[in-house]
Amino acid sequence: DAGITQSPRHKVTETGTPVTLRCHQTENHRYMYWYRQDPGHGLRLIHYSYGVKDTDKGEVSDGYSVSRSKTEDFLLTLESATSSQTSVYFCAISELRGGEQFFGPGTRLTVL
Amino acid sequence: KNEVEQSPQNLTAQEGEFITINCSYSVGISALHWLQQHPGGGIVSLFMLSSGKKKHGRLIATINIQEKHSSLHITASHPRDSAVYICAVSMTNTGNQFYFGTGTSLTVIP
Repeated sequence: DAGITQSPRHKVTETGTPVTLRCHQTENHRYMYWYRQDPGHGLRLIHYSYGVKDTDKGEVSDGYSVSRSKTEDFLLTLESATSSQTSVYFCAISELRGGEQFFGPGTRLTVL
Repeated sequence: KNEVEQSPQNLTAQEGEFITINCSYSVGISALHWLQQHPGGGIVSLFMLSSGKKKHGRLIATINIQEKHSSLHITASHPRDSAVYICAVSMTNTGNQFYFGTGTSLTVIP
């Protein structure tokens, strides 16, 4: 299995608080992705990174920011969490753009 | 508008049955991926294909580029195959971003 972990695995927070989710990989893959998964929707891309300090927006990026200061870490921040951001968040990595993706175990976030 | 459509949404089968899950997409792609998600959430990549057919154990994936259609077949289904199967495409016109179908929930009854 690809070495990819997410922390925390579960989090409950209140509306208006900042939240940071961490994705860590040991595969030295160039590309890293943050998705959210909601009932009735497929996985949707929030942000992705194509290298250290190189990031770009996905289709549902509003309310989220990301940072990648090291190859192995990709952080997703909700500056001021809202109830609509209650979701399961998955990180994924890939060696090649458009190539096979390996997924982390997911983080279940509840915003009250 | 969803670029990727899967059918059926839900599927129940008896152990041993041959299963087919379908995926259609609407735009040009660089590759199509089949993923499996078990209860509890972990997502695993099963296949990545851009033409033809691939086989891994009891799983077979095919793609028809002209018809923009792919199928995932499971032969001799088993209860451990119960999972959500997700089709995803990486699109050439969006820098190879992935777009995902909503998944097919498969239950195999002993």
